[in-house]
Amino acid sequence: DADVTQTPRNRITKTGKRIMLECSQTKGHDRMYWYRQDPGLGLRLIYYSFDVKDINKGEISDGYSVSRQAQAKFSLSLESAIPNQTALYFCATSEQGDLRNEQFFGPGTRLTVL
Amino acid sequence: AQKVTQAQTEISVVEKEDVTLDCVYETRDTTYYLFWYKQPPSGELVFLIRRNSFDEQNEISGRYSWNFQKSTSSFNFTITASQVVDSAVYFCALSSSNTGKLIFGQGTTLQVKP
Repeated sequence: DADVTQTPRNRITKTGKRIMLECSQTKGHDRMYWYRQDPGLGLRLIYYSFDVKDINKGEISDGYSVSRQAQAKFSLSLESAIPNQTALYFCATSEQGDLRNEQFFGPGTRLTVL
Repeated sequence: AQKVTQAQTEISVVEKEDVTLDCVYETRDTTYYLFWYKQPPSGELVFLIRRNSFDEQNEISGRYSWNFQKSTSSFNFTITASQVVDSAVYFCALSSSNTGKLIFGQGTTLQVKP
């Protein structure tokens, strides 16, 4: 089984709808991250969490919110989706105190907002 | 501020040619890590290499090699004798040791034609 899973893998929704993307990990890592990928822009950090009570905004957090329900789960919500949030979303995890900073990525969620 | 620049948006080569993907970074940290990831057409992110700021030794892994030069803030990636299976988007990324956040370059799309 994959260490970092994301659901759904693909989603098509309409403008104004609320949508939640979920991420689960079995690696036992404290740190979790949400990135979005847009063509020509690479991956950009939306939110990150160092533990259940520590959640931080990344460079592009506007329009998004997150919830760290447990060490293993980190959800990303779009309260009112808009077309420019169409992107590929990645969840990642890393180990607290790991100076190598290796991040483990989920398979991605492709979101289309019509 | 930290920044990663991959100036080559797209590269097209014929199979068996050598190709170098450029990566230039900016950081004020003295301890940092550099990464290369591969994203094949299937969309997942595949970790290729990590290098810390104190290790300027070049590395070779099969047909892949990496050249890290602190003097020019570059971490270039060379594929020798390219193959069609090397066709993918390649990302260079930078992280600081204290936050673990990854800063990605824009990505370089490599197309290897038979």
